[in-house]
Amino acid sequence: GAGVSQSPSNKVTEKGKDVELRCDPISGHTALYWYRQRLGQGLEFLIYFQGNSAPDKSGLPSDRFSAERTGESVSTLTIQRTQQEDSAVYLCASSLRLAGPTDTQYFGPGTRLTVL
Amino acid sequence: AQSVTQLDSQVPVFEEAPVELRCNYSSSVSVYLFWYVQYPNQGLQLLLKYLSGSTLVKGINGFEAEFNKSQTSFHLRKPSVHISDTAEYFCAVSDRDDKIIFGKGTRLHILP
Repeated sequence: GAGVSQSPSNKVTEKGKDVELRCDPISGHTALYWYRQRLGQGLEFLIYFQGNSAPDKSGLPSDRFSAERTGESVSTLTIQRTQQEDSAVYLCASSLRLAGPTDTQYFGPGTRLTVL
Repeated sequence: AQSVTQLDSQVPVFEEAPVELRCNYSSSVSVYLFWYVQYPNQGLQLLLKYLSGSTLVKGINGFEAEFNKSQTSFHLRKPSVHISDTAEYFCAVSDRDDKIIFGKGTRLHILP
């Protein structure tokens, strides 16, 4: 079946503008994760959704970042008043979460965000 | 909270030589450990994972990793690397919490 998809694949924006990134997880996957990967850096956890539970937002770097998920489907990550340091690849992953945190995460191709 | 340390940001290795990519994690009662790989211009994919049982875990493409509880390590090894192994490798850890925490990654450069 289809894997995790993300859109857009590339986004160039001006400093101060808002951006919205989209993630379509694998159908049936109840868990969804957002990560940020800055150039030359590792993966930085941002937010985690699991079913109908309250999301774990502990990784969001500032209140300019927010994310929503509709049921167990699409998720959007919104960055308000973008700054140059927000430039990064934003990765989305989903997993079944039937057996706890041991489930394999399946990653999307990422959205490359460039803030000018 | 869990943390992961990948001591080497880059590792150059000659083709057909062995390689070890190091990973250490902060101690916890029970942990689940993962190695993910990101090939150039591709998304991350699972290489192998340790959940319980045998401390030696075998993954795809001839890689294996050994869980060492006393040293809180989960080093990744391959006896003979190929040019196709050029990639970035991420170690990750999870405990009873839901999050999986990733290390900063190690770039493996295969030299001809």
